[in-house]
Amino acid sequence: NAGVTQTPKFQVLKTGQSMTLQCAQDMNHEYMSWYRQDPGMGLRLIHYSVGAGITDQGEVPNGYNVSRSTTEDFPLRLLSAAPSQTSVYFCASRPGTSTGGYEQYFGPGTRLTVT
Amino acid sequence: LAKTTQPISMDSYEGQEVNITCSHNNIATNDYITWYQQFPSQGPRFIIQGYKTKVTNEVASLFIPADRKSSTLSLPRVSLSDTAVYYCLVGASGSSNTGKLIFGQGTTLQVKP
Repeated sequence: NAGVTQTPKFQVLKTGQSMTLQCAQDMNHEYMSWYRQDPGMGLRLIHYSVGAGITDQGEVPNGYNVSRSTTEDFPLRLLSAAPSQTSVYFCASRPGTSTGGYEQYFGPGTRLTVT
Repeated sequence: LAKTTQPISMDSYEGQEVNITCSHNNIATNDYITWYQQFPSQGPRFIIQGYKTKVTNEVASLFIPADRKSSTLSLPRVSLSDTAVYYCLVGASGSSNTGKLIFGQGTTLQVKP
């Protein structure tokens, strides 16, 4: 299994541009999430999904859209990039019906710079 | 979701046991406690989870007192490679599982030679 994969690894955008960060998992996990991590800070939840066709907002959803048309894929769209969105973006997945707790599997991250 | 509080940073030396305590005063009956480790430039990695008393795996031990308002992650005989940020998370499972997992600020552990 490849686990959780993210593309691209690095991206530079100009202010106002839009783009989609890709995330895929091959573990048949129900739950998927997107986090951002600013330098020296903890992770903040952007959006999450509990299954195909179901998404919800996290702590910092403004400026981002998500969709979940399949179990495997959970793309994150930046609508109009701003310098404040410069960050590392992590995608994560986990089984939805675990017996307890939250063993999430994280992707390697996408490092985004907005100039 | 219950809020968690951890020390911002800790220092230790190689070979010592390190205990990181997390406070979660508002933990609910069906909440589990989970710990993650994050190295620079990598995504967090699951370490251990528990509900009550003590849990041990090949990496760490997790101690949870009877009132469950705190938990302690214990790393035996740390090495330089254990230098990382450690996050404590609290959330519900089963039918109360909303899918929403919130990370706190974490504890930066620096292991010195």
